[in-house]
Amino acid sequence: QKEVEQDPGPLSVPEGAIVSLNCTYSNSAFQYFMWYRQYSRKGPELLMYTYSSGNKEDGRFTAQVDKSSKYISLFIRDSQPSDSATYLCAMRAGGSYIPTFGRGTSLIVHP
Amino acid sequence: DAGITQSPRYKITETGRQVTLMCHQTWSHSYMFWYRQDLGHGLRLIYYSAAADITDKGEVPDGYVVSRSKTENFPLTLESATRSQTSVYFCASSDPGQAQGVRTEAFFGQGTRLTVV
Repeated sequence: QKEVEQDPGPLSVPEGAIVSLNCTYSNSAFQYFMWYRQYSRKGPELLMYTYSSGNKEDGRFTAQVDKSSKYISLFIRDSQPSDSATYLCAMRAGGSYIPTFGRGTSLIVHP
Repeated sequence: DAGITQSPRYKITETGRQVTLMCHQTWSHSYMFWYRQDLGHGLRLIYYSAAADITDKGEVPDGYVVSRSKTENFPLTLESATRSQTSVYFCASSDPGQAQGVRTEAFFGQGTRLTVV
């Protein structure tokens, strides 16, 4: 079993839908949680960053961390075709600067 | 231009040849990473470096060599390329010296698409 599990999808939704992307993890030492967005043939770009548990909101994006369940989520409100990309979760332990990535979920938002 | 750049963007090489992928960053980030990305496997860490002249193995280091004589450069060499090394390679850097926040996390280059025939 990998340290970080992420359903690869693809997840196909209509424009305007609320999207929920999730990862589970097994290492209780993880304290820093990130979401990266990767467009086709591009490098991943950091989208959201959260320390420890709780929620963080940035525009249409909300990141949630539930450390008790070892579960993190990314919500996208009012999804747009431009949100079509692969979303990778990543996390790392305190004192380590090496992130562990999920496999990524492919999201398709169709008009 | 500031940022992290990889070269070449595309490379086709033959089995058994040595090939070097270049990575250059202008931020003076201390940490640098090499990942490969394959369908079904996601990003897998090949090697990383915490500072100049300090490198360490990641999850899939076999068949690869790295060096880091200068902070800004982190080349990845495939000593004798095999078809299983056909992949997209990403270089990344991060700056743990910053206060915790987005600046401490990995920033990626645009990738090198390598095909071994």
